[in-house]
Amino acid sequence: DGGITQSPKYLFRKEGQNVTLSCEQNLNHDAMYWYRQDPGQGLRLIYYSQIVNDFQKGDIAEGYSVSREKKESFPLTVTSAQKNPTAFYLCAAENRDTPPYGYTFGSGTRLTVV
Amino acid sequence: GQNIDQPTEMTATEGAIVQINCTYQTSGFNGLFWYQQHAGEAPTFLSYNVLDGLEEKGRFSSFLSRSKGYSYLLLKELQMKDSASYLCAVRDGSDSWGKLQFGAGTQVVVTP
Repeated sequence: DGGITQSPKYLFRKEGQNVTLSCEQNLNHDAMYWYRQDPGQGLRLIYYSQIVNDFQKGDIAEGYSVSREKKESFPLTVTSAQKNPTAFYLCAAENRDTPPYGYTFGSGTRLTVV
Repeated sequence: GQNIDQPTEMTATEGAIVQINCTYQTSGFNGLFWYQQHAGEAPTFLSYNVLDGLEEKGRFSSFLSRSKGYSYLLLKELQMKDSASYLCAVRDGSDSWGKLQFGAGTQVVVTP
C-alpha cells in the first residue's frame, strides 16, 4: 500500500541539540509539506517542496531546515535555534494527479525537549 | 493572509446529527477540505468542495458557499468512533496547488 512513513514516533531532544525527523513516501507525489501542530492551534506550515532539489519556507520556518535530494524523502531538522520545539510534527504529500488533489499525512512525530 | 474559524468543541449523543461550521477570509480561494484527526494520529481526508453546494459521502456531507466564505461538515447517525477533531482547511487561490491553511479544529465528543 502507498503511504507516508514518519519516524521516529516519539523523539526527545536536549536543549542545544539538533534533531532530524524522517519522512518517506512511496506515493510518487512531487509535492511534500511539513506542518507543526500545537494544542488549540491549527496546523502551521514550516517548509514545503514542490519538486526535488527545491523547497520554500512556510509561515514558521525559523529554527528549521529541510532537504529534498530524492523524491521519496523530505527530512526536517529542528535546530537549536528553534526556541520552542516541543510539538507534534506532521509530514504530508500532495496528490496532484487525480481529484480531489488533497494531502496524505504521515502518522506524525511527537518531539519533546527535555 | 488567511483567517479560518471553527468552533473549539461540540458534544452530541450517539445516533444524533452534528454540524460543524467553518468560516474563512482569504485573499483567494481554490478549494476547501475537511479532515478527521483522532488524538495522536494523522489527519485523514473526509471531503473536498471547490464549487458551491452540497457534497454527500455516506454519513458525512459537506457544504460550501464561496460568496459567504462559509462551509459546514454534517455528521449523521453519530457513532462513538466519530469522537475526533475535525479540521477545516482552505487552499489559497494564489497557488493552483498546495499550501493548505488549517483552522484550529473542532473537537467532537460523542456520548452514549
